[in-house]
Amino acid sequence: GAGVSQSPRYKVAKRGQDVALRCDPISGHVSLFWYQQALGQGPEFLTYFQNEAQLDKSGLPSDRFFAERPEGSVSTLKIQRTQQEDSAVYLCASSENRETPLHFGNGTRLTVT
Amino acid sequence: SQQGEEDPQALSIQEGENATMNCSYKTSINNLQWYRQNSGRGLVHLILIRSNEREKHSGRLRVTLDTSKKSSSLLITASRAADTASYFCASGGYQKVTFGTGTKLQVIP
Repeated sequence: GAGVSQSPRYKVAKRGQDVALRCDPISGHVSLFWYQQALGQGPEFLTYFQNEAQLDKSGLPSDRFFAERPEGSVSTLKIQRTQQEDSAVYLCASSENRETPLHFGNGTRLTVT
Repeated sequence: SQQGEEDPQALSIQEGENATMNCSYKTSINNLQWYRQNSGRGLVHLILIRSNEREKHSGRLRVTLDTSKKSSSLLITASRAADTASYFCASGGYQKVTFGTGTKLQVIP
């Protein structure tokens, strides 16, 4: 019974590069969330999927951020033309449905230089 | 911006003492959840309380919810050094689950 897996664990990108962060949720989990966590802060909501449908993307900070979950399982968060302010830990979480607790991965720490 | 705030921001206690953390949130909720995060790791779910519940227990954890005040509290009894972590409340709405700012708990052996 694997938990939520995120890769890579660490990513260093030069400013202006594009990055792709992957999330493998727990098998069968319908709901998938992406969060951004700055140092010393709580996770900030980015976007929510129910199966393959992106039902809420109100937390995405700009149009440089794009998330997808084409087959309702693995999800990718893409950040285009990275900026220094994008440096943070990106957390993925899945749950059986929107009423049940979230299971988090260990996150991807993105550093933009 | 965060949905809620935890109070205190930081708490340091001796092993064996109780730790109480408070959370306030802003909008109506279906449930409220508490999570724990060790440094460099993801969050781990501790307990969920539904909006129609007032109190819930799980082992050494006790959670209360006051929807009229939009607040919740988490009590950890007989704390252990291993309880040292950051604790977050999360308010569950229809589609979003939004987190507070966290309380950093240090339990001194």
